[in-house]
Amino acid sequence: DVVMTQSPLSLPVTLGQAASISCRSSQSLVYSEGNTFLNWFQQRPGQSPRRLIYKVSNRDSGVPDRFSGSGSGTDFTLKISRVEAEDVGIYYCMQGKEWPYTFGQGTKLEIK
Amino acid sequence: HVQLVQSGAEVKEPGASMRVSCKAYGYTFRDFGISWVRQAPGQGLEWMGYINTDNGNTKYALKFQDRVTLTTDTSTDTVYMELRSLTSDDTALYYCARDWGAKAKVIADQWGQGTLVTISS
Repeated sequence: DVVMTQSPLSLPVTLGQAASISCRSSQSLVYSEGNTFLNWFQQRPGQSPRRLIYKVSNRDSGVPDRFSGSGSGTDFTLKISRVEAEDVGIYYCMQGKEWPYTFGQGTKLEIK
Repeated sequence: HVQLVQSGAEVKEPGASMRVSCKAYGYTFRDFGISWVRQAPGQGLEWMGYINTDNGNTKYALKFQDRVTLTTDTSTDTVYMELRSLTSDDTALYYCARDWGAKAKVIADQWGQGTLVTISS
């Protein structure tokens, strides 16, 4: 199975400041046709996960442009340019290159 | 408006079986598959399995392979997840998520509201 490793696991951030979460996979997530199936999800307290980013850097509809994804191969990053109160929650990376899909451990973002 | 609506919370005894449903609204059901993901209390997300709603093909995580069955009813646009031989470790929120399908190449782009299953004697 592909192991996904996130850091940090806890991320206290001041409102208006930037935040960055790293995700590393145990093997390349590049699929045969060139797509890289790395997704980012946000889970607010008491809610279902919500996909924010797909295929490394594509924002889902309705996701604020302060969220951005980058990376390649085995190293990926989710950045929030200016954290807002509604961004509190747990963020997960997930690989969809092969079954079983696997998730990172989650990064808990909180406001300082 | 795309929605996945799951069945309600359940309490089961150890050794019993559970069945959770996931009904799709707002899109062509057979164009997308459905994956199931669970989340134990205070824990992260764990993928359990996938079903292609067009042809019924399934993929299961090795951990659940002997205990889980996914089925699809195209007449009601519903997917069912059955988990057998329940233990307290199966206490969790169970989510369905829209996924890779016959005509749509997406991964987990829409999620159900979750179904809490509690295993208790």
